[in-house]
Amino acid sequence: NAGVTQTPKFQVLKTGQSMTLQCAQDMNHEYMSWYRQDPGMGLRLIHYSVGAGITDQGEVPNGYNVSRSTTEDFPLRLLSAAPSQTSVYFCASSYSLQGSYNEQFFGPGTRLTVL
Amino acid sequence: AQTVTQSQPEMSVQEAETVTLSCTYDTSENNYYLFWYKQPPSRQMILVIRQEAYKQQNATENRFSVNFQKAAKSFSLKISDSQLGDTAMYFCAFMNFGNDMRFGAGTRLTVKP
Repeated sequence: NAGVTQTPKFQVLKTGQSMTLQCAQDMNHEYMSWYRQDPGMGLRLIHYSVGAGITDQGEVPNGYNVSRSTTEDFPLRLLSAAPSQTSVYFCASSYSLQGSYNEQFFGPGTRLTVL
Repeated sequence: AQTVTQSQPEMSVQEAETVTLSCTYDTSENNYYLFWYKQPPSRQMILVIRQEAYKQQNATENRFSVNFQKAAKSFSLKISDSQLGDTAMYFCAFMNFGNDMRFGAGTRLTVKP
């Protein structure tokens, strides 16, 4: 199993550009989520999905879109990049939200810089 | 909304000694989960230990153990026999029975030889 994979590892954008951060998992996990990590603030939830076709907003969703057409993939789209979106982005997945199977497995992260 | 507070931005410990990282949280819910994650310089998030709020027994994983005080809303992590490889950022996290996971700001732990 590759686990949770993210591409790209690094990205530099100009203000106003759009892009998609890719996330995929091969563990047949139902739950997937996107976080951003900023210095001194820990990780904050952007969007999440409890299954294919179902997505919802987290703590900081503005400026981001997601979709979940398959169980495996959960891309994060930046519609019009802003310097405030400079951050490290993590994708995570888990089998369940409850019980013994709610451990979240994290991808390696994408460092995004918006100039 | 739930909040997680880690009051120690940085800590250091001598190799082979014991260190305790603090975490407090605020919630009105009775059932939830608590986690400690480790983030080494590689940036990878690694689960260290988890605790289910309905379990009174403190979780342990080898050299890692927690002191879970539900009434005080406290969830500290104790690392025994500290090793150089324990040097990392440590994040405390709270998750309710829905899907809202909240992280603390992290504690940077340095293990000194």
